[in-house]
Amino acid sequence: DAGITQSPRHKVTETGTPVTLRCHQTENHRYMYWYRQDPGHGLRLIHYSYGVKDTDKGEVSDGYSVSRSKTEDFLLTLESATSSQTSVYFCAIRPGSSYNEQFFGPGTRLTVL
Amino acid sequence: DAKTTQPNSMESNEEEPVHLPCNHSTISGTDYIHWYRQLPSQGPEYVIHGLTSNVNNRMASLAIAEDRKSSTLILHRATLRDAAVYYCILRAPLGETSGSRLTFGEGTQLTVNP
Repeated sequence: DAGITQSPRHKVTETGTPVTLRCHQTENHRYMYWYRQDPGHGLRLIHYSYGVKDTDKGEVSDGYSVSRSKTEDFLLTLESATSSQTSVYFCAIRPGSSYNEQFFGPGTRLTVL
Repeated sequence: DAKTTQPNSMESNEEEPVHLPCNHSTISGTDYIHWYRQLPSQGPEYVIHGLTSNVNNRMASLAIAEDRKSSTLILHRATLRDAAVYYCILRAPLGETSGSRLTFGEGTQLTVNP
């Protein structure tokens, strides 16, 4: 158990509203990631962070922003949600630069109507 | 990014070995081969990784072809709990800020029959 929680676990919202998803970890790991998973597909990287206030884009970053103001929290924001952002969102952590494994959270199911 | 090719689905019987293949013909010399699995309604779970040599851990074995253009994940005795989607992923070398990003394909859905 890598001590990763995601909140909320489920959310239904309307098109055009802002949404923020939170990933929280308890073990001060350096690297954190946000992925999305659509039905029948593997995960796609949205953004990642390699330290407080250090973030970079992944392959599907359009329409998303992130913030990491403290080690334990990595926030994913949809400034104006669209139906195409309906997905399951997974947060992951990697303990350090020499670690190979990523550990994933339980996921947040987001529905944008 | 180098891509991987896996069968969409495979079936196995409980307590029998399972060999899950992965082709990665465009792999670069520094790419690591990772395997993750995803059980229903859960996030992915790390299984094993390797570079050139075969690897064993408590979950599985990874056999890597000599030319590194393919690999095989081996579950020695499948259980019902091993039913999952298995992803073969190539990962660039670790770097301080490179993020060690993982690029997931669609994976192989493994069904284990009792």
